Amino acid sequence: EVQLLESGGGLVQPGGSLRLSCAASGFTFSSYAMSWVRQAPGKGLEWVSAISGSGGSTYYADSVKGRFTISRDNSKNTLYLQMNSLRAEDTAVYYCALILTASITMDVWGKGTTVTVSS
Amino acid sequence: EIVMTQSPATLSVSPGERATLSCRASQSVSSNLAWYQQKPGQAPRLLIYGASTRATGIPARFSGSGSGTEFTLTISSLQSEDFAVYYCQQYNNWPLTFGQGTKVEIK
Repeated sequence: EVQLLESGGGLVQPGGSLRLSCAASGFTFSSYAMSWVRQAPGKGLEWVSAISGSGGSTYYADSVKGRFTISRDNSKNTLYLQMNSLRAEDTAVYYCALILTASITMDVWGKGTTVTVSS
Repeated sequence: EIVMTQSPATLSVSPGERATLSCRASQSVSSNLAWYQQKPGQAPRLLIYGASTRATGIPARFSGSGSGTEFTLTISSLQSEDFAVYYCQQYNNWPLTFGQGTKVEIK
């Protein structure tokens, strides 16, 4: 069974940093692209970033470009999101998602981890 | 960036009735359009990809149609478990973008 488990969320001050992790199991991790999607409280879904299976290609939303870095460790079956220069508007539940095919859809989702940016 | 616009924002439907949700793209996305369902407190779930192909395990009462800039998700006979928020997402261009969602509520 495919499982995605996010961790690393918490309370951080504006301007601070946080690293999210997503531990994957039940599939050949290195074969698939992965993505992060976030959802601010009471709001809709916002795509944040994606990375190819090898890690050689990365993509970002304009709202996080230059502040967030997506990466993966295929030896540890783990996806990361390094978040720097955090702002109040980055407050959200962050989901990691598995992209199973060439159609860049979020086929399997984790349960999410909550990031709160506040002083 | 491609802007996805969903309508209506809220749809009130009685159980057993048909629900029709719309999604419009600011420019053509071909058939590179997906639909997701999200229930309160849960992660989203993929329903439809390629505008009209149901994902694994999705009941046949869910159907998608459209191409280019206009798309529709139809739920043929609403069940109690279908009351949720539905999002469309285009994957024709980076950055990926979602619509703002349509809430399907009990009438």
